[in-house]
Amino acid sequence: EVQLVESGGDLVQPGGSLRLSCAASGFTFSTYWMNWVRQAPGKGLEWVANINEDGGERDSVDSVKGRFTISRDNAKNSLYLQMDSLRADDTAVYYCARRGVFTTCYAGYCHYYYYMDVWGEGTTVTVSS
Amino acid sequence: DIQMTQSPSSLSASVGDRVTITCRASQTISNYLNWYQQKPGKPPKFLIYAASNLQSGVPSRFSGSRSGTDFTLTISTLQPEDFATYYCQQSYSTPLTFGGGTKVEIK
Repeated sequence: EVQLVESGGDLVQPGGSLRLSCAASGFTFSTYWMNWVRQAPGKGLEWVANINEDGGERDSVDSVKGRFTISRDNAKNSLYLQMDSLRADDTAVYYCARRGVFTTCYAGYCHYYYYMDVWGEGTTVTVSS
Repeated sequence: DIQMTQSPSSLSASVGDRVTITCRASQTISNYLNWYQQKPGKPPKFLIYAASNLQSGVPSRFSGSRSGTDFTLTISTLQPEDFATYYCQQSYSTPLTFGGGTKVEIK
């Protein structure tokens, strides 16, 4: 069974740090891009960061740049999110999600349609004094 | 950043109704649009990719379409298990962005 299980969420004071983990199973983790997505209480979904298959390419939303770092360990089938300088507005459920792709090619040109097809149950981060 | 605007933010409907949810992108995103369903306390479930392609296992009562920068999710005959919040998401460029969500409630 394809599965993602997040852990590491906790109550932390403003300015503190936390490291989230996501354990993958049931698929070849090293061949997929991975994402972190968060959801503040009662709010919508917000993409946080993603990372390519070997960890050499990473991107993130501006609000976490310089504070959060996404990483992965393919030998351990694990994804991480190091969160530093935490703020109250970082309070959310954090989900890891696998990136799938649908490819169509025509006349030698290909389009790659990306989506998030497998999600974990999430881990809760609360930033409060 | 590409803004995704969903409407309505909520709607009330009865089992058996036809439901339509709209998502508008702030700029052209071609067909790079996905739809997700989320129930309370649960992670999102992936429904549709590339604007109109159903993910494997998703019931055929769900469909998606595009007209320019406007995208539509339609549930042809609402079932009890469809009461949930629905989100669109563009995959055209980063930062990836979601719509604000549409909550489908029981009338």
